[in-house]
Amino acid sequence: ELKVEQNPLFLSMQEGKNYTIYCNYSTTSDRLYWYRQDPGKSLESLFVLLSNGAVKQEGRLMASLDTKARLSTLHITAAVHDLSATYFCAVDAGSGTYKYIFGTGTRLKVLA
Amino acid sequence: DAGVIQSPRHEVTEMGQEVTLRCKPISGHNSLFWYRQTMMRGLELLIYFNNNVPIDDSGMPEDRFSAKMPNASFSTLKIQPSEPRDSAVYFCASSLLLAKNIQYFGAGTRLSVL
Repeated sequence: ELKVEQNPLFLSMQEGKNYTIYCNYSTTSDRLYWYRQDPGKSLESLFVLLSNGAVKQEGRLMASLDTKARLSTLHITAAVHDLSATYFCAVDAGSGTYKYIFGTGTRLKVLA
Repeated sequence: DAGVIQSPRHEVTEMGQEVTLRCKPISGHNSLFWYRQTMMRGLELLIYFNNNVPIDDSGMPEDRFSAKMPNASFSTLKIQPSEPRDSAVYFCASSLLLAKNIQYFGAGTRLSVL
């Protein structure tokens, strides 16, 4: 059974600092997704990573995928308050199912 | 496109009552997913459909839960009878398979069962 773990679960950081969120998964998959959820809101797609070594960047966020290590990272550069949200990774469960298995989420709070 | 549309946005009901949640997926998408989100259990997949056919309902917690997709533009999730532990936010998402399979989420229905 595919399991997806994120760490840390909670992250409080100062504006201007850098940090990385980690997403580990237990079985082979070559599709990984990152989502953002603001409090009381829905999930918004951030990145789709479709192959080993894939790297995507948008503003202060950069996501990468290492399928051999079964690891994805979401790197935050020079954090700003607007990045405060919960970030989820989701892994395609494969085997033709097309369903995702979501991680537990990382609640990020950027302090001014 | 208007995105995935869910209704109602909020539902407050009493224990034992029937609750029906509705979802309209993005036009042209061929997969639809129902999720439940709680603080304790996080985001759980309840059921998903491909081309209107239920594929995996292993996440449906009990027989009190049922879901239908009578056509490509409409789905319902029904809870009968409802219980306080069903209180959660229920999300519907849709995707287009064989593309990047990005799931697009609706705004959610916040259900409170008293």
